[in-house]
Amino acid sequence: EAQVTQNPRYLITVTGKKLTVTCSQNMNHEYMSWYRQDPGLGLRQIYYSMNVEVTDKGDVPEGYKVSRKEKRNFPLILESPSPNQTSLYFCASSLTAGDQETQYFGPGTRLLVL
Amino acid sequence: LAKTTQPISMDSYEGQEVNITCSHNNIATNDYITWYQQFPSQGPRFIIQGYKTKVTNEVASLFIPADRKSSTLSLPRVSLSDTAVYYCLVGGRGYQKVTFGTGTKLQVIP
Repeated sequence: EAQVTQNPRYLITVTGKKLTVTCSQNMNHEYMSWYRQDPGLGLRQIYYSMNVEVTDKGDVPEGYKVSRKEKRNFPLILESPSPNQTSLYFCASSLTAGDQETQYFGPGTRLLVL
Repeated sequence: LAKTTQPISMDSYEGQEVNITCSHNNIATNDYITWYQQFPSQGPRFIIQGYKTKVTNEVASLFIPADRKSSTLSLPRVSLSDTAVYYCLVGGRGYQKVTFGTGTKLQVIP
């Protein structure tokens, strides 16, 4: 089954404690991206990756890092989380950049930073 | 990327046709228009995409006038399960950045 998986689905942490949210896709997609969703602000893109070892900033990259060492995985790293990073996070992948018809979203990770 | 404007919310009774309009005055020549559906606590799901005139699939229709400065998503005979947020996106194939608007929250009433 074609899917994007994220782990963990729920996470409560404290300010400053480094964390990683994993994202994996099984569709051999080249393009992957991370979004955060906050009430009243819709979905905002954090980072995206065109392919292995190729990443770039989206609209709200501050406080986040990503890496793309393998095609299937695109982890989101919060080196020093702060309460304003409390949000619902989605990972997505598509065959190529801008190919909305093939874009799949993961189930989301709800993060609470105390 | 072209900015999009949609109504914040809409209500509809079950069985009615719902039309959600998106305004995108700065659409570029090679931009496509895509609509997504999102249920609470789930990721968005692709519904339909078009470039001009009319596109129809098993879920919805998309109407795009000749000037392409707006588009209308049409959901025929909505049911309670169509209650969701609907997002309109504008961008071209190959666009690296993706910008979602704030979406339209559709509430279907029994």
